[in-house]
Amino acid sequence: TQLLEQSPQFLSIQEGENLTVYCNSSSVFSSLQWYRQEPGEGPVLLVTVVTGGEVKKLKRLTFQFGDARKDSSLHITAAQPGDTGLYLCAGEKGNNRLAFGKGNQVVVIP
Amino acid sequence: DVKVTQSSRYLVKRTGEKVFLECVQDMDHENMFWYRQDPGLGLRLIYFSYDVKMKEKGDIPEGYSVSREKKERFSLILESASTNQTSMYLCASSLNPGLGTEAFFGQGTRLTVV
Repeated sequence: TQLLEQSPQFLSIQEGENLTVYCNSSSVFSSLQWYRQEPGEGPVLLVTVVTGGEVKKLKRLTFQFGDARKDSSLHITAAQPGDTGLYLCAGEKGNNRLAFGKGNQVVVIP
Repeated sequence: DVKVTQSSRYLVKRTGEKVFLECVQDMDHENMFWYRQDPGLGLRLIYFSYDVKMKEKGDIPEGYSVSREKKERFSLILESASTNQTSMYLCASSLNPGLGTEAFFGQGTRLTVV
């Protein structure tokens, strides 16, 4: 059973459009992280959210942590081809471990 | 610039071979991790280490072992490689994931077992 469910698995949009992807769980997390992974590379941290209801912005990316700290969303405004990648959410599982979702594969077409 | 370096980007090994994947970090992190990443399955934790000579099994340790003799180096060992161990292997280090701190990943090793 996957601890973190990400949806949609795959999303293809045109440059300039907006998109939202989701990370959901039945478990409560003390914090949740979002990473982006480009082909052939390791994931790179984008943001960590800690407080229920928290909203963080990173340029055109907006991250929200659910009030109950069980889910999160990532919204990209006016997507660019450089936003293409696999977006992974990760929650702290206890014992110093992170649990990862399977990822949202985003493709932005020029 | 902080760095996690994996010894090889690509490896091709034969079934039954003993395979060593090496990972070095220069951030003085306590915690180091080995994951494998497969299409449709995401990142799965194989082993992690929270201190020198300490190790704990992750979710899929079968067929693997690890070694951490020095703080900066964490090795993954495939005792007898099998075709179902063909995968992308990712090493990571972190100060303390329990506090929501960042995990830094290496560039990955794509291992093919033939």
